[in-house]
Amino acid sequence: QVQLVQSGAEVKTPGASVKVSCKASGYTFTDYYIYWVRQAPGQGLEWMGWINPNSGGTNYAQKFQGRVTMTRDTSISTASMELSRLRSDDTSVYYCAREGSAAAGAFDIWGQGTMVTVSS
Amino acid sequence: EIQLTQSPSFLSASVGDRAIITCRASQGISSYLAWYQQKPGKAPKLLIYAASTLQSGVPSRFSGSGSGTEFTLTISSLQPEDFATYYCQQLKSYPRTFGQGTKVEIK
Repeated sequence: QVQLVQSGAEVKTPGASVKVSCKASGYTFTDYYIYWVRQAPGQGLEWMGWINPNSGGTNYAQKFQGRVTMTRDTSISTASMELSRLRSDDTSVYYCAREGSAAAGAFDIWGQGTMVTVSS
Repeated sequence: EIQLTQSPSFLSASVGDRAIITCRASQGISSYLAWYQQKPGKAPKLLIYAASTLQSGVPSRFSGSGSGTEFTLTISSLQPEDFATYYCQQLKSYPRTFGQGTKVEIK
């Protein structure tokens, strides 16, 4: 079945970097953009950016410019999101999601989420 | 950046009730709006896209309407599994902003 499976939870110290992966299966990885969205504990959803798995092109939310890098490895159908210079307020669940071309750009498939905790 | 404001933020209702959630955009977004449902500890789930199109597999008690700056999500008869948090998202421009969420609780 179509699914996105993310890497496991991470605990990082302030100033460190974290890399979260998102493995796609059940569809052609390069046919759909992958987005990253995060959710702080008890809070709403925050859009971080996207990567085009076909070209590798990216678009980041201004808030994360200079700290986030989104990459892909088409040989293993995996997208990754690296966030650097972590702060305590980066503690969140990070989700990858597929932009559904048949869903007018809405996110039709989501990963299960990866909890990233930033604490000294 | 387009701002989305949902109302109410909390909705207390009983099984069988009709629930209506509103999403207002800070500028016109035509029909570029989606609705998601999120349960605790789970990823969001797409319910409706293009403002009114039901995603495959979503029960018909969910419906969406609106265009421009005013949108609604209606649940015609709340079922126990519908108690969750609902988010709207605009797909008109970047960043793809979300509303702040509406938590539907059991009365």
